[in-house]
Amino acid sequence: KAGVTQTPRYLIKTRGQQVTLSCSPISGHRSVSWYQQTPGQGLQFLFEYFSETQRNKGNFPGRFSGRQFSNSRSEMNVSTLELGDSALYLCASSLLAGSSYEQYFGPGTRLTVT
Amino acid sequence: AQSVTQLDSQVPVFEEAPVELRCNYSSSVSVYLFWYVQYPNQGLQLLLKYLSGSTLVKGINGFEAEFNKSQTSFHLRKPSVHISDTAEYFCAVSQGAQKLVFGQGTRLTINP
Repeated sequence: KAGVTQTPRYLIKTRGQQVTLSCSPISGHRSVSWYQQTPGQGLQFLFEYFSETQRNKGNFPGRFSGRQFSNSRSEMNVSTLELGDSALYLCASSLLAGSSYEQYFGPGTRLTVT
Repeated sequence: AQSVTQLDSQVPVFEEAPVELRCNYSSSVSVYLFWYVQYPNQGLQLLLKYLSGSTLVKGINGFEAEFNKSQTSFHLRKPSVHISDTAEYFCAVSQGAQKLVFGQGTRLTINP
């Protein structure tokens, strides 16, 4: 069974631009969560989607948004990029919503904002 | 709000020595507890989890952890480490349907 895939793996953007990251969950998984990982703040939860609905949202500004499609694939978008948005963005999928279900993480997308 | 404290940011040990990575959490209600490992340039992989039942949890790669409710701790242990265990380890906590809250991570370095 294929794992969680994230595209692209690396991205360089300029301050003020916007970016879209993609996540394909494991086949059959319906829940997708997004996390931001930085050296200073560590791993922080962005949002979780289940059956195309956002179930949970972390403490991030409105510039961070996401969506989930009917095939469970998910995208996150960051508008008006700031230098501080440079991070590793991790996507995780699980069979169902709720943290008791094991989350399988993708390799991440490393975003660099210059 | 829940929080997780990993007491050591870095732990150097010699190969074949035992290791303990410490994790404390703050919550007054029942929680789920997890340990994840992250190898360089990779995502996170679940090592083990505690949902309920036995307080001693065994995971992959020879790791185990003990849930101690009175001390609100969930320390990770391995009796004999290998070079391949060099990685960053994250403790995480959640409540039911809520999001995972991660600790800051512990970098485990194995010296030959």
